[in-house]
Amino acid sequence: GENVEQHPSTLSVQEGDSAVIKCTYSDSASNYFPWYKQELGKGPQLIIDIRSNVGEKKDQRIAVTLNKTAKHFSLHITETQPEDSAVYFCAASIRLFGNEKLTFGTGTRLTIIP
Amino acid sequence: SQTIHQWPATLVQPVGSPLSLECTVEGTSNPNLYWYRQAAGRGLQLLFYSVGIGQISSEVPQNLSASRPQDRQFILSSKKLLLSDSGFYLCAWSGGKGSYEQYFGPGTRLTVT
Repeated sequence: GENVEQHPSTLSVQEGDSAVIKCTYSDSASNYFPWYKQELGKGPQLIIDIRSNVGEKKDQRIAVTLNKTAKHFSLHITETQPEDSAVYFCAASIRLFGNEKLTFGTGTRLTIIP
Repeated sequence: SQTIHQWPATLVQPVGSPLSLECTVEGTSNPNLYWYRQAAGRGLQLLFYSVGIGQISSEVPQNLSASRPQDRQFILSSKKLLLSDSGFYLCAWSGGKGSYEQYFGPGTRLTVT
């Protein structure tokens, strides 16, 4: 089955600096790569995603890049703000019986230092 | 717009007691539904998924079961809770065929004592 590794497990950056979180996946059949943000005590929130036919996607201060050859994808947050502090999860998905089966990374705790 | 509800929000149950967690989705029809468990400080583990009423697939052998009695209702159950069942339980939905995105509910914090 699919295996997703995520690094780093914790990340602290100064407010205004950029943050980068990286993930690798094992199954070359994976074709959908979402990123979730989870605040304390809440459910994960989908913040951005990318499909395998695209190399990069950007939404304001957040961008995701995908390298299918190397089987890795990254989340980039620019001009970080205190409200970006949260746990971020990457995931990879294989469509199975019409169903998206997500395999998650272990998460990155991002702390923005004011 | 679509909304997903879970209840209860928190639950403290003794070992050996039964469990029933409920998830409902509004604003969509025939969604795929999922149950995940998140242990403290850990990632999300898929427990069950359902592509339709009465259709349940289990991902890991365990002390839990799931049912889907109605199109937009997903229930997680146990006959006898174990200490290891403690965790944060999350329900999610996706739009089914042709839809990739999964959206999570607010979660239920279960503590087994």
